[in-house]
Amino acid sequence: GAGVSQSPRYKVAKRGQDVALRCDPISGHVSLFWYQQALGQGPEFLTYFQNEAQLDKSGLPSDRFFAERPEGSVSTLKIQRTQQEDSAVYLCASSLWVEGQETQYFGPGTRLLVL
Amino acid sequence: ELKVEQNPLFLSMQEGKNYTIYCNYSTTSDRLYWYRQDPGKSLESLFVLLSNGAVKQEGRLMASLDTKARLSTLHITAAVHDLSATYFCAVEVMYSGGGADGLTFGKGTHLIIQP
Repeated sequence: GAGVSQSPRYKVAKRGQDVALRCDPISGHVSLFWYQQALGQGPEFLTYFQNEAQLDKSGLPSDRFFAERPEGSVSTLKIQRTQQEDSAVYLCASSLWVEGQETQYFGPGTRLLVL
Repeated sequence: ELKVEQNPLFLSMQEGKNYTIYCNYSTTSDRLYWYRQDPGKSLESLFVLLSNGAVKQEGRLMASLDTKARLSTLHITAAVHDLSATYFCAVEVMYSGGGADGLTFGKGTHLIIQP
């Protein structure tokens, strides 16, 4: 596809339920990022992959959050035992270095509401 | 800890007027990004500023970077209603794993342009 795609676009979960959010990056993009955007705030970094390697997960808020990218393309962000404070938009971005410059291209996001 | 501060956070202006949004950041960085976000939508890349003194213009928007002052500005000339959106600046940081960089975002400037 032409851009980063994410699914589902909307997810309503009951507190305690596990959820899985999918990201399809732009074909050929080596780097993939996950961000969490609370209502009215800027995105906050969660984790970063270079190909299949998760090079940084320092932004994951708790051990209930887990991300993977097993084949270096599609990535899944999993949240176990969801809590109300997990309600946010989860944005995925992919990027590629071109001539010493990199721009992150963002997907449409998954809006998660935990009741 | 890197801090990115934008001001103003809210701005209501009339069409035809000029205004500037400011972005200050707390650590050395040579890369600064401006994104636009429409309500319920994802982030659209506007500008990538790579070096001190960089200036880029696209239509009625012009962005500049002063790395010594750790300041970037987004100037709007003769505003039109279609520019109503939230504008984010983001600073590139190196994450612990190295490689491509993650972004630290400001809280965003919510811009409303009235006829």
